[in-house]
Amino acid sequence: GQQLNQSPQSMFIQEGEDVSMNCTSSSIFNTWLWYKQDPGEGPVLLIALYKAGELTSNGRLTAQFGITRKDSFLNISASIPSDVGIYFCAGQRPGGGATNKLIFGTGTLLAVQP
Amino acid sequence: EAQVTQNPRYLITVTGKKLTVTCSQNMNHEYMSWYRQDPGLGLRQIYYSMNVEVTDKGDVPEGYKVSRKEKRNFPLILESPSPNQTSLYFCASSLGWRDRGSPLHFGNGTRLTVT
Repeated sequence: GQQLNQSPQSMFIQEGEDVSMNCTSSSIFNTWLWYKQDPGEGPVLLIALYKAGELTSNGRLTAQFGITRKDSFLNISASIPSDVGIYFCAGQRPGGGATNKLIFGTGTLLAVQP
Repeated sequence: EAQVTQNPRYLITVTGKKLTVTCSQNMNHEYMSWYRQDPGLGLRQIYYSMNVEVTDKGDVPEGYKVSRKEKRNFPLILESPSPNQTSLYFCASSLGWRDRGSPLHFGNGTRLTVT
Protein backbone atom coordinates (compact mmCIF):
# COMPACT_ATOMS: atom_id res chain seq x y z
CA GLY A 1 0.00 0.00 0.00
CA GLN A 2 0.99 3.60 -0.44
CA GLN A 3 2.87 5.41 2.28
CA LEU A 4 3.57 9.05 2.77
CA ASN A 5 7.10 10.43 2.73
CA GLN A 6 7.76 11.65 6.25
CA SER A 7 10.95 13.39 7.32
CA PRO A 8 13.14 13.37 9.15
CA GLN A 9 13.18 9.72 10.16
CA SER A 10 14.61 10.60 13.55
CA MET A 11 15.63 13.62 15.58
CA PHE A 12 17.81 13.87 18.66
CA ILE A 13 17.49 17.26 20.28
CA GLN A 14 18.10 19.11 23.51
CA GLU A 15 15.26 20.07 25.80
CA GLY A 16 13.97 23.51 24.90
CA GLU A 17 14.68 23.27 21.19
CA ASP A 18 11.99 23.63 18.55
CA VAL A 19 11.18 20.71 16.26
CA SER A 20 9.86 20.55 12.71
CA MET A 21 8.78 17.55 10.70
CA ASN A 22 6.80 17.17 7.50
CA CYS A 23 4.98 14.79 5.22
CA THR A 24 4.71 14.94 1.48
CA SER A 25 2.73 13.05 -1.09
CA SER A 26 2.39 12.88 -4.85
CA SER A 27 -1.39 12.84 -4.40
CA ILE A 28 -3.66 15.48 -2.94
CA PHE A 29 -5.44 14.91 0.35
CA ASN A 30 -8.54 16.42 1.91
CA THR A 31 -7.56 15.54 5.47
CA TRP A 32 -4.25 15.51 7.28
CA LEU A 33 -3.85 14.06 10.75
CA TRP A 34 -0.90 14.02 13.12
CA TYR A 35 -0.54 11.25 15.71
CA LYS A 36 1.94 10.60 18.49
CA GLN A 37 2.85 7.12 19.67
CA ASP A 38 4.45 6.69 23.09
CA PRO A 39 6.54 3.57 23.67
CA GLY A 40 4.29 0.55 24.18
CA GLU A 41 1.12 2.49 23.41
CA GLY A 42 -1.17 3.10 20.48
CA PRO A 43 -1.07 6.27 18.37
CA VAL A 44 -2.96 9.20 19.86
CA LEU A 45 -4.42 11.96 17.71
CA LEU A 46 -2.70 15.33 18.18
CA ILE A 47 -4.10 17.57 15.47
CA ALA A 48 -6.58 17.19 12.61
CA LEU A 49 -6.56 19.46 9.53
CA TYR A 50 -9.40 19.64 7.02
CA LYS A 51 -8.72 22.62 4.73
CA ALA A 52 -5.81 23.63 2.53
CA GLY A 53 -3.83 26.38 4.23
CA GLU A 54 -5.31 25.60 7.65
CA LEU A 55 -3.02 26.27 10.58
CA THR A 56 -4.02 24.66 13.87
CA SER A 57 -2.40 24.67 17.29
CA ASN A 58 -2.66 22.35 20.25
CA GLY A 59 -0.57 23.76 23.08
CA ARG A 60 3.05 23.77 21.95
CA LEU A 61 2.16 21.91 18.77
CA THR A 62 1.27 23.62 15.51
CA ALA A 63 0.38 21.88 12.29
CA GLN A 64 -0.38 23.19 8.83
CA PHE A 65 -2.25 21.78 5.85
CA GLY A 66 -0.16 22.69 2.81
CA ILE A 67 -1.64 24.95 0.16
CA THR A 68 -0.94 22.38 -2.54
CA ARG A 69 -2.83 19.77 -0.45
CA LYS A 70 0.14 17.47 -0.95
CA ASP A 71 1.98 18.19 2.27
CA SER A 72 1.67 18.97 5.94
CA PHE A 73 3.98 20.22 8.65
CA LEU A 74 4.13 19.71 12.40
CA ASN A 75 6.10 22.00 14.67
CA ILE A 76 6.79 21.51 18.37
CA SER A 77 8.04 24.50 20.27
CA ALA A 78 10.20 24.42 23.39
CA SER A 79 10.47 20.63 23.51
CA ILE A 80 10.32 18.78 26.83
CA PRO A 81 11.33 15.21 27.71
CA SER A 82 7.74 13.90 27.52
CA ASP A 83 7.65 14.86 23.83
CA VAL A 84 9.69 11.71 23.20
CA GLY A 85 7.93 9.27 20.92
CA ILE A 86 7.13 8.52 17.32
CA TYR A 87 5.11 11.06 15.36
CA PHE A 88 3.02 9.91 12.42
CA CYS A 89 1.27 11.88 9.76
CA ALA A 90 -1.76 10.40 8.05
CA GLY A 91 -3.66 11.59 5.02
CA GLN A 92 -7.01 10.84 3.49
CA ARG A 93 -7.59 11.32 -0.22
CA PRO A 94 -10.73 12.99 -1.57
CA GLY A 95 -13.28 10.46 -2.66
CA GLY A 96 -11.05 7.89 -1.06
CA GLY A 97 -13.46 5.13 -1.77
CA ALA A 98 -16.07 3.76 0.54
CA THR A 99 -13.70 3.70 3.42
CA ASN A 100 -12.17 5.95 5.98
CA LYS A 101 -8.84 4.59 4.85
CA LEU A 102 -5.91 6.62 5.99
CA ILE A 103 -2.47 6.49 4.47
CA PHE A 104 0.25 6.75 7.10
CA GLY A 105 3.68 8.24 7.04
CA THR A 106 6.64 6.14 8.11
CA GLY A 107 7.04 8.07 11.33
CA THR A 108 9.55 10.44 12.94
CA LEU A 109 11.29 9.23 16.07
CA LEU A 110 11.90 12.12 18.45
CA ALA A 111 14.37 11.87 21.32
CA VAL A 112 14.74 14.78 23.74
CA GLN A 113 17.73 15.04 26.01
CA PRO A 114 17.10 16.87 29.29
CA GLU B 1 -14.19 6.74 29.13
CA ALA B 2 -14.26 6.48 25.36
CA GLN B 3 -11.75 3.91 24.26
CA VAL B 4 -10.70 1.05 22.03
CA THR B 5 -9.75 -2.01 24.07
CA GLN B 6 -7.58 -4.82 22.77
CA ASN B 7 -6.75 -8.08 24.46
CA PRO B 8 -4.34 -9.50 25.17
CA ARG B 9 -1.55 -6.88 25.31
CA TYR B 10 1.13 -9.52 24.89
CA LEU B 11 0.90 -12.98 23.34
CA ILE B 12 3.53 -15.60 22.66
CA THR B 13 2.42 -18.62 20.69
CA VAL B 14 3.73 -21.38 18.44
CA THR B 15 3.39 -21.82 14.73
CA GLY B 16 0.04 -23.21 13.67
CA LYS B 17 -1.86 -22.68 16.91
CA LYS B 18 -5.02 -20.70 16.17
CA LEU B 19 -5.44 -17.47 18.10
CA THR B 20 -7.83 -14.56 18.37
CA VAL B 21 -7.09 -11.00 19.36
CA THR B 22 -10.17 -9.20 20.57
CA CYS B 23 -11.05 -5.56 19.96
CA SER B 24 -13.93 -3.64 21.44
CA GLN B 25 -14.94 0.02 21.24
CA ASN B 26 -17.51 1.85 23.36
CA MET B 27 -18.02 4.87 21.11
CA ASN B 28 -20.70 3.43 18.81
CA HIS B 29 -18.28 3.78 15.90
CA GLU B 30 -19.28 2.35 12.53
CA TYR B 31 -15.79 1.91 11.15
CA MET B 32 -13.18 -0.43 12.63
CA SER B 33 -9.83 -1.55 11.33
CA TRP B 34 -6.78 -3.67 12.14
CA TYR B 35 -3.20 -2.61 11.51
CA ARG B 36 0.16 -4.20 12.03
CA GLN B 37 3.23 -2.17 12.78
CA ASP B 38 6.69 -3.37 11.85
CA PRO B 39 10.04 -1.55 12.05
CA GLY B 40 10.70 0.44 8.90
CA LEU B 41 7.29 -0.39 7.43
CA GLY B 42 5.04 1.80 9.53
CA LEU B 43 1.36 1.00 9.97
CA ARG B 44 -0.16 -1.33 7.42
CA GLN B 45 -3.86 -2.07 7.23
CA ILE B 46 -4.89 -5.72 7.50
CA TYR B 47 -8.69 -5.62 7.36
CA TYR B 48 -11.38 -3.06 7.90
CA SER B 49 -15.11 -3.01 8.52
CA MET B 50 -17.50 -0.24 7.53
CA ASN B 51 -20.35 -1.62 9.60
CA VAL B 52 -21.81 -4.79 11.06
CA GLU B 53 -21.37 -7.75 8.72
CA VAL B 54 -19.35 -5.62 6.27
CA THR B 55 -15.63 -6.38 6.12
CA ASP B 56 -12.96 -5.99 3.48
CA LYS B 57 -9.29 -6.59 2.90
CA GLY B 58 -6.68 -3.97 3.57
CA ASP B 59 -3.13 -3.96 2.28
CA VAL B 60 -1.82 -7.08 4.02
CA PRO B 61 -4.74 -9.47 4.63
CA GLU B 62 -2.99 -12.80 3.96
CA GLY B 63 -3.08 -15.13 6.95
CA TYR B 64 -5.75 -13.18 8.81
CA LYS B 65 -9.51 -13.30 9.22
CA VAL B 66 -11.93 -10.92 10.88
CA SER B 67 -15.59 -10.83 11.76
CA ARG B 68 -18.02 -8.05 12.65
CA LYS B 69 -21.11 -9.63 14.16
CA GLU B 70 -21.70 -6.73 16.53
CA LYS B 71 -20.96 -3.05 16.12
CA ARG B 72 -18.64 -2.82 19.11
CA ASN B 73 -16.46 -5.89 18.47
CA PHE B 74 -13.99 -6.65 15.70
CA PRO B 75 -11.81 -9.67 16.51
CA LEU B 76 -8.70 -10.55 14.51
CA ILE B 77 -8.23 -14.26 13.90
CA LEU B 78 -5.02 -16.03 12.93
CA GLU B 79 -6.04 -19.54 11.91
CA SER B 80 -2.48 -20.84 11.56
CA PRO B 81 0.03 -18.27 12.79
CA SER B 82 3.49 -18.18 11.30
CA PRO B 83 6.66 -16.42 12.49
CA ASN B 84 6.28 -13.68 9.86
CA GLN B 85 3.14 -12.61 11.69
CA THR B 86 5.20 -11.63 14.69
CA SER B 87 4.35 -7.95 14.98
CA LEU B 88 2.65 -5.21 16.95
CA TYR B 89 -1.07 -5.11 16.15
CA PHE B 90 -3.44 -2.18 16.56
CA CYS B 91 -7.18 -2.03 16.39
CA ALA B 92 -8.73 1.34 15.52
CA SER B 93 -12.20 2.78 15.09
CA SER B 94 -13.85 5.94 13.83
CA LEU B 95 -17.30 7.41 13.79
CA GLY B 96 -18.10 6.69 10.18
CA TRP B 97 -16.52 6.06 6.86
CA ARG B 98 -18.69 8.65 5.14
CA ASP B 99 -17.48 11.47 7.31
CA ARG B 100 -14.03 12.67 6.47
CA GLY B 101 -13.90 14.49 9.78
CA SER B 102 -13.79 11.37 11.90
CA PRO B 103 -10.22 10.48 12.79
CA LEU B 104 -9.19 7.02 13.86
CA HIS B 105 -8.90 6.16 17.55
CA PHE B 106 -6.39 3.44 18.32
CA GLY B 107 -6.20 0.75 20.96
CA ASN B 108 -3.04 0.21 23.00
CA GLY B 109 -1.75 -2.59 20.86
CA THR B 110 -1.10 -6.33 21.06
CA ARG B 111 2.46 -7.53 20.76
CA LEU B 112 2.38 -10.98 19.16
CA THR B 113 5.35 -13.33 18.96
CA VAL B 114 5.04 -16.53 16.94
CA THR B 115 7.84 -19.06 17.47
